[in-house]
Amino acid sequence: NAGVTQTPKFQVLKTGQSMTLQCAQDMNHEYMSWYRQDPGMGLRLIHYSVGAGITDQGEVPNGYNVSRSTTEDFPLRLLSAAPSQTSVYFCASSYSGGKNQPQHFGDGTRLSIL
Amino acid sequence: AQKITQTQPGMFVQEKEAVTLDCTYDTSDQSYGLFWYKQPSSGEMIFLIYQGSYDEQNATEGRYSLNFQKARKSANLVISASQLGDSAMYFCAMSSDRGSTLGRLYFGRGTQLTVWP
Repeated sequence: NAGVTQTPKFQVLKTGQSMTLQCAQDMNHEYMSWYRQDPGMGLRLIHYSVGAGITDQGEVPNGYNVSRSTTEDFPLRLLSAAPSQTSVYFCASSYSGGKNQPQHFGDGTRLSIL
Repeated sequence: AQKITQTQPGMFVQEKEAVTLDCTYDTSDQSYGLFWYKQPSSGEMIFLIYQGSYDEQNATEGRYSLNFQKARKSANLVISASQLGDSAMYFCAMSSDRGSTLGRLYFGRGTQLTVWP
């Protein structure tokens, strides 16, 4: 049972480059989300999706795009990387996003922007 | 606005002893959920325990229990019989029914627990 799988685990980019962080889940969860974790800040929600074809912004969406073409996949795109986007990124999923459902997290992607 | 406060940046406990990690929250919602996650040095986020705002009994999961005091808006995590493998960062988080951000978890800044032999 793979759960939530994130790739890559580590990435170094130069300012201005673009890239896509991949996230896939095999639990048939409708709800998926992306968080970033910065030192001393806890985790903050970037974007989320309640099902295929439906996405919405979270707390810190600027500089990021998402799409949800299938239930399983929820990629996060950095269009033009900036040093402020250096962070650890977590993808998470739950059955429907209900308040009583724990989010299942991937192992994270550590991203450095030079 | 929803807010989670963890006032203990670091905690130390001896192996086999119990430890309480503090969490207070602020919300005007009547229906919400409270979660604790563990983040070991390897970086993954591991779900530990959940408490619903209408649950009358404190949640328990093995060596983990949640001391829920609704009137005081606190949801402290109690780890009994600490083990060396419990050394990690622990995050308290809250969810609510607010429709504009369905499923969003509000996280505290975490408590770094160190278990010593």
